[in-house]
Amino acid sequence: DTEVTQTPKHLVMGMTNKKSLKCEQHMGHRAMYWYKQKAKKPPELMFVYSYEKLSINESVPSRFSPECPNSSLLNLHLHALQPEDSALYLCASSHPGTGGAVEGYTFGSGTRLTVV
Amino acid sequence: AQSVSQHNHHVILSEAASLELGCNYSYGGTVNLFWYVQYPGQHLQLLLKYFSGDPLVKGIKGFEAEFIKSKFSFNLRKPSVQWSDTAEYFCAVNARGGNAGNMLTFGGGTRLMVKP
Repeated sequence: DTEVTQTPKHLVMGMTNKKSLKCEQHMGHRAMYWYKQKAKKPPELMFVYSYEKLSINESVPSRFSPECPNSSLLNLHLHALQPEDSALYLCASSHPGTGGAVEGYTFGSGTRLTVV
Repeated sequence: AQSVSQHNHHVILSEAASLELGCNYSYGGTVNLFWYVQYPGQHLQLLLKYFSGDPLVKGIKGFEAEFIKSKFSFNLRKPSVQWSDTAEYFCAVNARGGNAGNMLTFGGGTRLMVKP
């Protein structure tokens, strides 16, 4: 299995809703990432988990809450989002550190989130 | 912190034309370099990567890139483009060492349109 699977593919939520994005990989990668991509813009790093521990948080608002319950799963819990949070949310995985750099990162297809 | 610049935001070519997309990075240390492609409505796919050795790297679909350390550049080339190469192309940098070793920083992207 050489894929990163993200669910759901599309999500529409109101500003008072609570929802979660899910990401799963079975490649044995111990680093997992959340990126946010606005239309016609490059992906921007949000969070990095290394060996199931949060290692990087790029000053993301607390309405986004990541969780890494095990080495194969990564969740992004959403609460009280704003319309400007509408974007494509990408999950990626890699071997951590130097290994990730050597072999590259595998990206999922993303969840297209619309906040209304 | 590292940064990446892609100078061409939009490129329009006819089929069989040659392609060169510019990428320059800013970082004082050792880096790993990547080119990703994102076809319309699809996820990011790795085209090629450089981490050491021969500065001319060959990737999938006939693409290649040359790392010129003195110019901090990693330009993407293809001798003859096809209509199916229409996509967004992202250059990305991963700085080696420490927590930064887990981070991919993307350039702004170049939107390529190939006319049949």
